[in-house]
Amino acid sequence: GAVVSQHPSRVICKSGTSVKIECRSLDFQATTMFWYRQFPKQSLMLMATSNEGSKATYEQGVEKDKFLINHASLTLSTLTVTSAHPEDSSFYICSAPDRGSEKLFFGSGTQLSVL
Amino acid sequence: ILNVEQSPQSLHVQEGDSTNFTCSFPSSNFYALHWYRWETAKSPEALFVMTLNGDEKKKGRISATLNTKEGYSYLYIKGSQPEDSATYLCAFFSGGYQKVTFGTGTKLQVIP
Repeated sequence: GAVVSQHPSRVICKSGTSVKIECRSLDFQATTMFWYRQFPKQSLMLMATSNEGSKATYEQGVEKDKFLINHASLTLSTLTVTSAHPEDSSFYICSAPDRGSEKLFFGSGTQLSVL
Repeated sequence: ILNVEQSPQSLHVQEGDSTNFTCSFPSSNFYALHWYRWETAKSPEALFVMTLNGDEKKKGRISATLNTKEGYSYLYIKGSQPEDSATYLCAFFSGGYQKVTFGTGTKLQVIP
């Protein structure tokens, strides 16, 4: 089946730094990529939807200047957490829909810890 | 924010037991309901995509049913095996694939 590769799997950074998370579709073209965040004991929350070649759509309450999304090619979408603060510490994961079955193919997630 | 609930939150069963979980979701504006299996340190993997009221899907020992009018889906595992241990997530899509709400998952542990 389709594979979405997500890196890094874990990152620890100092407050104020920016962190980039990459999701690559390895054997299919992902025109759309969904980005989610999950806090402990909570469900996956959709943050934004990126579409190749156009601006991302952000969910209500998600700061677009804080979470920069780029989807410059059909195989790569990136999420940059700018000027990260401890409250941004969370699990971030991406997924891309398969056009035929409409199943979501997920990355393996990134655990971000901001000190 | 749509209310999508899964129960139980966690359960332990003996190898060979059959089990089932529930996902409840709003009964209006239904588009699709997905089930995913998420093993620790791996990516969630799609089990079923369900779109029609009354849908029943089966994959090996795992099956699922869908009732969109009353807003619930059941996932059944027959003869649980240790390799079935994972968190099972349901995802509710309303009005299209751009709007998804996930449940918090049911964490299953199968004891050998």
